[in-house]
Amino acid sequence: DAKTTQPPSMDCAEGRAANLPCNHSTISGNEYVYWYRQIHSQGPQYIIHGLKNNETNEMASLIITEDRKSSTLILPHATLRDTAVYYCIVCGSSNTGKLIFGQGTTLQVKP
Amino acid sequence: EPEVTQTPSHQVTQMGQEVILRCVPISNHLYFYWYRQILGQKVEFLVSFYNNEISEKSEIFDDQFSVERPDGSNFTLKIRSTKLEDSAMYFCASLWLTDTQYFGPGTRLTVL
Repeated sequence: DAKTTQPPSMDCAEGRAANLPCNHSTISGNEYVYWYRQIHSQGPQYIIHGLKNNETNEMASLIITEDRKSSTLILPHATLRDTAVYYCIVCGSSNTGKLIFGQGTTLQVKP
Repeated sequence: EPEVTQTPSHQVTQMGQEVILRCVPISNHLYFYWYRQILGQKVEFLVSFYNNEISEKSEIFDDQFSVERPDGSNFTLKIRSTKLEDSAMYFCASLWLTDTQYFGPGTRLTVL
């Protein structure tokens, strides 16, 4: 599975959009980009995933560059409850294999 | 909304004792996983389980660890002789087919 690189931390003002970047320059054609988050020491929570098209659900939007070497997770209106560690993970199309977590980005949403 | 559940939420044990961590995956899910997270460190994969057998395991998952699906609903992780370094949060996850892995809330294991 391809390695990902994320900034260790970011701040965002409450109510503003949070844009979390991820680099995955070695991603292969059949690998998906998944985003999870972990609030405090709770279990990781699935957010969104995509292959090459941009995706949106009730939690977030995922923008994947045309060359697929990077992506951005967008939380459109961040709240204090969005403070968490966000993980960008690349894995195969079936996703039945293990998830490899990096250090992620700690997002601090400030009032 | 269906969810993965884990019991107990916190387990305290003495070094050398056996512990069993229990998980109830989402019903109709076919793939099951255990991960752990030592305090302040990354979430690490331990083992995946499908069709009643281990499909993949990490280097961490040595002979002291075992997994079992004793009935149609539970999925357990057993540590035969706990060490201090086994203290961690243990997360169970399950997946249907080509969906996403859904994680439980975790069991905090403290080995004294």
